Amino acid sequence: GDSVTQMEGPVTLSEEAFLTINCTYTATGYPSLFWYVQYPGEGLQLLLKATKADDKGSNKGFEATYRKETTSFHLEKGSVQVSDSAVYFCALSGSFWDNNDMRFGAGTRLTVKP
Amino acid sequence: DTGVSQDPRHKITKRGQNVTFRCDPISEHNRLYWYRQTLGQGPEFLTYFQNEAQLEKSRLLSDRFSAERPKGSFSTLEIQRTEQGDSAMYLCASSLGSTKGIGSGANVLTFGAGSRLTVL
Repeated sequence: GDSVTQMEGPVTLSEEAFLTINCTYTATGYPSLFWYVQYPGEGLQLLLKATKADDKGSNKGFEATYRKETTSFHLEKGSVQVSDSAVYFCALSGSFWDNNDMRFGAGTRLTVKP
Repeated sequence: DTGVSQDPRHKITKRGQNVTFRCDPISEHNRLYWYRQTLGQGPEFLTYFQNEAQLEKSRLLSDRFSAERPKGSFSTLEIQRTEQGDSAMYLCASSLGSTKGIGSGANVLTFGAGSRLTVL
């Protein structure tokens, strides 16, 4: 079935460092791809999304490009801040249908130190 | 709108007891989802509703789990005869889903903060 695999954490970076969190997916059809973020004590929040190949999602300095040829959707940020410390989840949804069944990766915990 | 609300935020119960969680979605959202999240894992889909209709329930973990959304607004998730393995965070999400069927792209899920269940 459809699934996502993301790099294991935890990831610890210094402030202003470059961030990459890898995510690859397996799906039939044409899924939509997402990154969600979970700050301590809060619910999951959508960070960015891409609905078709070569789309780039971006938000708050984060970017991810939907790469069909490599089945990837890696999350990047050029300069992380302490406030970016959170757990990041890659997800995909329904290949042909609306996302009645969103599949999440296991999450990657990011800690940014001043 | 205050977003998706879940209640209670934390429930501690003894093995064998029944527990019920409530979710109030964003008012204009017609879809409501339940997920379970265990420590160190991503959310795991359980079931979802479009309005009051439960369109997918085969992923509920066992027949001890049931969900309702009687008037197409709030929803409840009940776990009967709880077991220690049921200890997890139960997440609710809502979205404005298409009723047209064929993929309209990515309707975004808005999550609540979750209800944490601890079974002793």
